Amino acid sequence: GQQLNQSPQSMFIQEGEDVSMNCTSSSIFNTWLWYKQDPGEGPVLLIALYKAGELTSNGRLTAQFGITRKDSFLNISASIPSDVGIYFCAGLNYGGSQGNLIFGKGTKLSVKP
Amino acid sequence: NAGVTQTPKFRVLKTGQSMTLLCAQDMNHEYMYWYRQDPGMGLRLIHYSVGEGTTAKGEVPDGYNVSRLKKQNFLLGLESAAPSQTSVYFCASSYGPGALNGYTFGSGTRLTVV
Repeated sequence: GQQLNQSPQSMFIQEGEDVSMNCTSSSIFNTWLWYKQDPGEGPVLLIALYKAGELTSNGRLTAQFGITRKDSFLNISASIPSDVGIYFCAGLNYGGSQGNLIFGKGTKLSVKP
Repeated sequence: NAGVTQTPKFRVLKTGQSMTLLCAQDMNHEYMYWYRQDPGMGLRLIHYSVGEGTTAKGEVPDGYNVSRLKKQNFLLGLESAAPSQTSVYFCASSYGPGALNGYTFGSGTRLTVV
């Protein structure tokens, strides 16, 4: 089935640093979504992307829908301690798998205060 | 608060016991989903439903059954629990197939099978 390769798997950064993570796929997606999961909670939607090349921001977060439609990137600027958590990318292709989201395995972010 | 509510939040089962996890949403969503989350594996879809009275298998359906008798509720059943089913289970819902607003997730049920 379709798979998303999300990297890095984990990262430690200093407070104030910028963070980048990405997802790639061998398949084309119509929609890319980025979620954040806080410890002990369910994932919460951060950003949704619907068009190839689209660049969308949500506060200090910026995500891009790759031109090839096979990848997406999430950047966090000036990280703070509350950015800690697991970030998931998710892709949707209406043409396959009944329209269900395909999730990456997550990027675990830890921030040193 | 509106959203997805999962019960119970924690449960310990003995091998072979059965239990039902309940998911309730008050957003009038058509689609509902059950995922399990294991370390290093991300979120894997167990079963899903595209409307009241319908269910379908996801990526890892074996050992689980589901029912959607009411639009707002989606039940996940374990008939004979096994240690391999130790996991965190998340329910989610959406208006449609993951389109405009993505999925809304519950806060999870942590299940341990001993």
